[in-house]
Amino acid sequence: QKEVEQNSGPLSVPEGAIASLNCTYSDRGSQSFFWYRQYSGKSPELIMSIYSNGDKEDGRFTAQLNKASQYVSLLIRDSQPSDSATYLCAVGDNTDKLIFGTGTRLQVFP
Amino acid sequence: GAVVSQHPSRVICKSGTSVKIECRSLDFQATTMFWYRQFPKQSLMLMATSNEGSKATYEQGVEKDKFLINHASLTLSTLTVTSAHPEDSSFYICSAPRRGTSTDTQYFGPGTRLTVL
Repeated sequence: QKEVEQNSGPLSVPEGAIASLNCTYSDRGSQSFFWYRQYSGKSPELIMSIYSNGDKEDGRFTAQLNKASQYVSLLIRDSQPSDSATYLCAVGDNTDKLIFGTGTRLQVFP
Repeated sequence: GAVVSQHPSRVICKSGTSVKIECRSLDFQATTMFWYRQFPKQSLMLMATSNEGSKATYEQGVEKDKFLINHASLTLSTLTVTSAHPEDSSFYICSAPRRGTSTDTQYFGPGTRLTVL
């Protein structure tokens, strides 16, 4: 059974701080890794994708992947109240199928 | 802008009726689409993979006779919840992978909230 695990939170950070979200996965054959943001009552929105070890930066977001440790993280710099949402980690293999974690709820307070 | 659409966005129906949900890829072709279900405060659970021109592949525990999937064209997949019951009330979301030059990105539709009375 392929699994993706996340801390459900909530993770509370003050405005302007760095939010760090973590995810581990069980399938060593996983090849693609995604972070989605989901606001309450809405469908997931793609934030970042990463496919190789290391860091990938896009604006205030940085995704980090360590395949040896089966670990992927998302850093959000200069967190804003509008970043408050549930962040879903998703992992894919060599098909298009994604396995989702349960999500981490982030709360950014002013 | 949106690349995957769903219709309807919200539906309320009586127990025992059937409900059809459409998922369309707007500016790309999708030979594969995915259907998810999400209950309140839970993560997305993959229900089935919709394959254009062939039968859908259902995940373990999902009744194929209850959740009928038809992938009629390269841009349209439909999910029909047959004989709906209150426990089928959920948020149904489809997704489609968009092929890139080196990687694929999966986009989600806006979701359909089903309430069965």
